Amino acid sequence: NAGVTQTPKFRILKIGQSMTLQCTQDMNHNYMYWYRQDPGMGLKLIYYSVGAGITDKGEVPNGYNVSRSTTEDFPLRLELAAPSQTSVYFCASTPSGGATGELFFGEGSRLTVL
Amino acid sequence: QKEVEQNSGPLSVPEGAIASLNCTYSDRGSQSFFWYRQYSGKSPELIMSIYSNGDKEDGRFTAQLNKASQYVSLLIRDSQPSDSATYLCAVKDSSASKIIFGSGTRLSIRP
Repeated sequence: NAGVTQTPKFRILKIGQSMTLQCTQDMNHNYMYWYRQDPGMGLKLIYYSVGAGITDKGEVPNGYNVSRSTTEDFPLRLELAAPSQTSVYFCASTPSGGATGELFFGEGSRLTVL
Repeated sequence: QKEVEQNSGPLSVPEGAIASLNCTYSDRGSQSFFWYRQYSGKSPELIMSIYSNGDKEDGRFTAQLNKASQYVSLLIRDSQPSDSATYLCAVKDSSASKIIFGSGTRLSIRP
C-alpha cells in the first residue's frame, strides 16, 4: 500500500524555470493539501482541494498553481521559480477534511532554487 | 489570517521528566485539534487528536484542550530520548477544510 507518493524527492531549479511537483494517493481520499516547510519552521498551507475539480487557496498561494482532475492526483505547479520558493514541499490527504481524521503525508520534495 | 502559535524552543527536558508543550489558536470556532511529531528530515506523523474540552490520554501522551482560552497543550510523561523531535500543533479552520499548523516546538530529551 503506497499511500501518498510525491515526485521528485529532490530538485534543483534555476531562477525563472518552472516545474511541477507530482502527488498521487491511492486511498480514495477526497481532501488533499500542499504544504511548504522552510528550515526550522512549521508547515504553511499553499493550496488544498476538497474533491476532483475543486481547489482553493491556503495561506501562501502566490507563485503556485494547482489542479485536481482526478481524486488520486493533485499536482503543484511552480511558475517562474524564485529563491524564496526554496523549501521542502509536503503533499497530504485525508478522508474527512481534518474534522476527525489525520493527515497522511508523503515523504516530501526538497526544492532548491538557485 | 487565522493563526496557530507555539513557542519555537528548543525545550530541553531531562529523561524521565514531564515535557509540556503549548499552543494557542485564533479561530474561536475551531473544533478539531491535532498534535504531530516530526523527526528531522521526515514527514509529520499524528500522535494525538482532541475535539472536546478536557484531557485525552494515550499511553505516555496527554492532550489538553480549553476552548474558552483557545489553548491546546501536550504532556509527555516519562520522557525518552526517542521523544526528541519537533512537535507541531494543528487546528482545523472552522469555516473551511483548511488545516493550519503552528511553527512547531523543538523538544530535546537529555539523558
